[in-house]
Amino acid sequence: DGGITQSPKYLFRKEGQNVTLSCEQNLNHDAMYWYRQDPGQGLRLIYYSQIVNDFQKGDIAEGYSVSREKKESFPLTVTSAQKNPTAFYLCASSRAAFYEQYFGPGTRLTVT
Amino acid sequence: DQQVKQNSPSLSVQEGRISILNCDYTNSMFDYFLWYKKYPAEGPTFLISISSIKDKNEDGRFTVFLNKSAKHLSLHIVPSQPGDSAVYFCAASAGGNEKLTFGTGTRLTIIP
Repeated sequence: DGGITQSPKYLFRKEGQNVTLSCEQNLNHDAMYWYRQDPGQGLRLIYYSQIVNDFQKGDIAEGYSVSREKKESFPLTVTSAQKNPTAFYLCASSRAAFYEQYFGPGTRLTVT
Repeated sequence: DQQVKQNSPSLSVQEGRISILNCDYTNSMFDYFLWYKKYPAEGPTFLISISSIKDKNEDGRFTVFLNKSAKHLSLHIVPSQPGDSAVYFCAASAGGNEKLTFGTGTRLTIIP
């Protein structure tokens, strides 16, 4: 059955290390998104991609990087430049020109 | 600058009664609005949406009302059930762009 997969569910890293979060979808959606959620805050957009090999910065892109080499995959790298990387990260996808986004289960990243 | 605001961080409602969740927005370019429901440690799931050409949309126990002049929308859940206990986010989009702006969420607790 179709859906969005994020792995792993929990991730622990030492400060100063880059870490890559995986996001895969088999919904044949064109657009994919990365959000970050912090306690008491809404979902803030990090990066989004509307087609393969193209992506745009969201509201809080500093310290993050993405790639979109395949339609199904949109990995997010949290670099050592990200000041507060500990958060719950959510990946989503949507059909072109459709607003409803479908979310993955999320990855909780803890950096110490 | 919070363009989508959910001013009530939490709400408690008795089972069987009506739950009303509110959302205000400041960007007059927003023309499509969505509600999402989120359980802890999971991704949000889409509930219901409304276009700015309508003022009401219904889907089963869920109804969304839009008041464009007041830049206000609300989600009514009736009757409320224990499984409705979750965090609810409203989101908005402008001008055909799939990019969504989310509110900070309201935690709804249904009391048996």
